[in-house]
Amino acid sequence: NAGVMQNPRHLVRRRGQEARLRCSPMKGHSHVYWYRQLPEEGLKFMVYLQKENIIDESGMPKERFSAEFPKEGPSILRIQQVVRGDSAAYFCASSSGTGVETQYFGPGTRLLVL
Amino acid sequence: AQTVTQSQPEMSVQEAETVTLSCTYDTSESDYYLFWYKQPPSRQMILVIRQEAYKQQNATENRFSVNFQKAAKSFSLKISDSQLGDAAMYFCASGMDTDKLIFGTGTRLQVFP
Repeated sequence: NAGVMQNPRHLVRRRGQEARLRCSPMKGHSHVYWYRQLPEEGLKFMVYLQKENIIDESGMPKERFSAEFPKEGPSILRIQQVVRGDSAAYFCASSSGTGVETQYFGPGTRLLVL
Repeated sequence: AQTVTQSQPEMSVQEAETVTLSCTYDTSESDYYLFWYKQPPSRQMILVIRQEAYKQQNATENRFSVNFQKAAKSFSLKISDSQLGDAAMYFCASGMDTDKLIFGTGTRLQVFP
């Protein structure tokens, strides 16, 4: 019974490059959430997706960040032209969307921008 | 807008003793959920306990229990018989149905032998 999978676990990018973070939800879960944790801070919501739909992107920066959850395959968080301030841990969570909700988290992707 | 406040940046407890972590929140909703997550050094987010706001009975999971005071908007976590493995960051969070979670800033718990 695999939990939420995220890859890569660690990602190093130079300023200006693109970062792609992948998230596979738990089996049977159709709701995916992305959160960002800056060093020494709590988790901050970024975006909430269901299959092929963005439900809430109120926490996403207006530029350079995008997310998708296609019909087939994992959810992708994409960061274009990364800057040092993007260095953080990015967590994906999933839920079943069937009522009383608990979000289960993946192990996170640690992004380091040099 | 929902807010979650954890006013204790750090707490410490002796092994086998009891410790209480504080959390207050603010919401205009009547139906919501409250959570405590544990983040050990591995940084994995682990669900500790969950409370539905419509339930008056405090949630309990083994050595972990909450004191949910709805009128005061308080949701503290009590850890009994503390163990070395309990050392971690603890985050309080609130959410509604399938909505996003709002997290507090965390409390770092140290457990001394």
